[in-house]
Amino acid sequence: DAGVIQSPRHEVTEMGQEVTLRCKPISGHDYLFWYRQTMMRGLELLIYFNNNVPIDDSGMPEDRFSAKMPNASFSTLKIQPSEPRDSAVYFCASSLRSGVPNYGYTFGSGTRLTVV
Amino acid sequence: RKEVEQDPGPFNVPEGATVAFNCTYSNSASQSFFWYRQDCRKEPKLLMSVYSSGNEDGRFTAQRNRASQYISLLIRDSKLSDSATYLCVVTRIYNQGGKLIFGQGTELSV
Repeated sequence: DAGVIQSPRHEVTEMGQEVTLRCKPISGHDYLFWYRQTMMRGLELLIYFNNNVPIDDSGMPEDRFSAKMPNASFSTLKIQPSEPRDSAVYFCASSLRSGVPNYGYTFGSGTRLTVV
Repeated sequence: RKEVEQDPGPFNVPEGATVAFNCTYSNSASQSFFWYRQDCRKEPKLLMSVYSSGNEDGRFTAQRNRASQYISLLIRDSKLSDSATYLCVVTRIYNQGGKLIFGQGTELSV
């Protein structure tokens, strides 16, 4: 299996632009998670899905952020409009079970977002 | 106060040294505990689980004190390849599923 695949690996955009991050989970994993990592706040869970349905979005910072999972093999995280403080590394992860790392909880390589 | 707190880094140690990382968590409802390793500019990867009685995996030993809400990771005979950031993780299971809560991480340089 190719693992969790994220694209793009790097994104540089201007403030105010829309940014879309993409994730393909491991086939057969029912759970998909979006995280954000910054120096100040560390690794934070933004939202997660079970069987394509959003379960907990309490970590989404504000309305500028939205996430979708139209099918079992694809998810997007969108920021509109983007701001410099959104600069971070965004990780996607997938798992067979929620909240249990030993059940194949696997992170993608991340998208490094810079908003200028 | 953060829910999971770790020793601030970085730790700079010579090869062969023994180094210990500490982690405290504030939510007594936390149910499972883990250590992750994150190499520079890479994704986090599971290093080991932390069992209530303590557990060992080669040069790595993890321990937990439930009463003090404290977790530790001991690395013996440090290698250059151990240089990374070590993240303490606790999980909480609730009606909607479960969450992994990550500490800020402690950077190790061997």
